[in-house]
Amino acid sequence: GQQVMQIPQYQHVQEGEDFTTYCNSSTTLSNIQWYKQRPGGHPVFLIQLVKSGEVKKQKRLTFQFGEAKKNSSLHITATQTTDVGTYFCAGGGASGTYKYIFGTGTRLKVLA
Amino acid sequence: DAGVTQSPTHLIKTRGQQVTLRCSPKSGHDTVSWYQQALGQGPQFIFQYYEEEERQRGNFPDRFSGHQFPNYSSELNVNALLLGDSALYLCASSFNRVTEAFFGQGTRLTVV
Repeated sequence: GQQVMQIPQYQHVQEGEDFTTYCNSSTTLSNIQWYKQRPGGHPVFLIQLVKSGEVKKQKRLTFQFGEAKKNSSLHITATQTTDVGTYFCAGGGASGTYKYIFGTGTRLKVLA
Repeated sequence: DAGVTQSPTHLIKTRGQQVTLRCSPKSGHDTVSWYQQALGQGPQFIFQYYEEEERQRGNFPDRFSGHQFPNYSSELNVNALLLGDSALYLCASSFNRVTEAFFGQGTRLTVV
């Protein structure tokens, strides 16, 4: 079945450093979503990418969807302590299926 | 405007018992998806309800069943509980199945 892996599993950075998490699917995706989950909280939607090669920015966050629509990345510039949490990608399957397969997540810690 | 609400927030059950979890979607949403999130893992898709029918299902046994009501609220039922069913159960609502998902705070189920 479809699998979505993320690397790294954990990342500790100093405040102000950059951070990137990578998401790889075993199958071609129709779209990909990114979520952030704070410790003890629930996933919060960040963005959805649909087009091959698409790049979207939200302030310090840059999201990219691969040309083959099988991988994606989230890059945070100049991390802040408020960025702490686990970042999940969720891959939407081929047309006609509506379930999202969540990745394994990357837990980010930001040291002040 | 209320977001996604889930009840109860916490629940302790004994092995072999049955449990029902409830979810009210965000106003205007017609699709409800249920996820199981074990500690330190990403959410695992259980199933999705749209137009009062189960439309998609993940790799969960028949012990997991659900229902969607005409007002779009939903229930998740788990029979013959196992220790391994202990997890955070998340409900996510969306519109027309493919838009961004809004998650509830979850129900923490502990099976002893």
